[in-house]
Amino acid sequence: SQQGEEDPQALSIQEGENATMNCSYKTSINNLQWYRQNSGRGLVHLILIRSNEREKHSGRLRVTLDTSKKSSSLLITASRAADTASYFCATDAEWWEGSARQLTFGSGTQLTVLP
Amino acid sequence: GAVVSQHPSRVICKSGTSVKIECRSLDFQATTMFWYRQFPKQSLMLMATSNEGSKATYEQGVEKDKFLINHASLTLSTLTVTSAHPEDSSFYICSARDTSSFSGNTIYFGEGSWLTVV
Repeated sequence: SQQGEEDPQALSIQEGENATMNCSYKTSINNLQWYRQNSGRGLVHLILIRSNEREKHSGRLRVTLDTSKKSSSLLITASRAADTASYFCATDAEWWEGSARQLTFGSGTQLTVLP
Repeated sequence: GAVVSQHPSRVICKSGTSVKIECRSLDFQATTMFWYRQFPKQSLMLMATSNEGSKATYEQGVEKDKFLINHASLTLSTLTVTSAHPEDSSFYICSARDTSSFSGNTIYFGEGSWLTVV
């Protein structure tokens, strides 16, 4: 079942602006991952942040994780038209003996970057 | 690096026929693979967990007799949509977890398969 909720559901910005997307989740996690999906295409893994990390950077991406609030944010700086896509957070829950670990996806944010 | 290959990427079939989608882990062995479904403008929903050498575990609301999963080897899982109907048209994507210590227990996704039932 889905446990992640993302906001906003849709975000439209001008090229060059920063885009911030948030993700909240419910259970304890090992890590949280952000994915990107262009319309009609598969998933592209962007970044993984572990439960003991608070912030991580990758190029123009900055991810934060607050395990006390069970929330994460993805910041895309200096956005480009090519960043237009859907962005999903996915949680990798704590593993319990006998259970198969799988990613649970949030509802996603549709980002539109206007040229 | 490790890759998960999914085939076919797109398939169109007639209503009432069955369609098979393959998911292969190319560089690692995966005892467990996962099948997700995504309807337009929605998120990915886990359908089932495919276990090598045993029965798949289906999520609530997913018909196991309609979505047949076979995980006959450590590198291949197949999803067969039986007696497909237009409402089964969707994007199906698989993932596999590389549990080797070298990989850091990373999960990889296939490119996905677009199924259109006409």
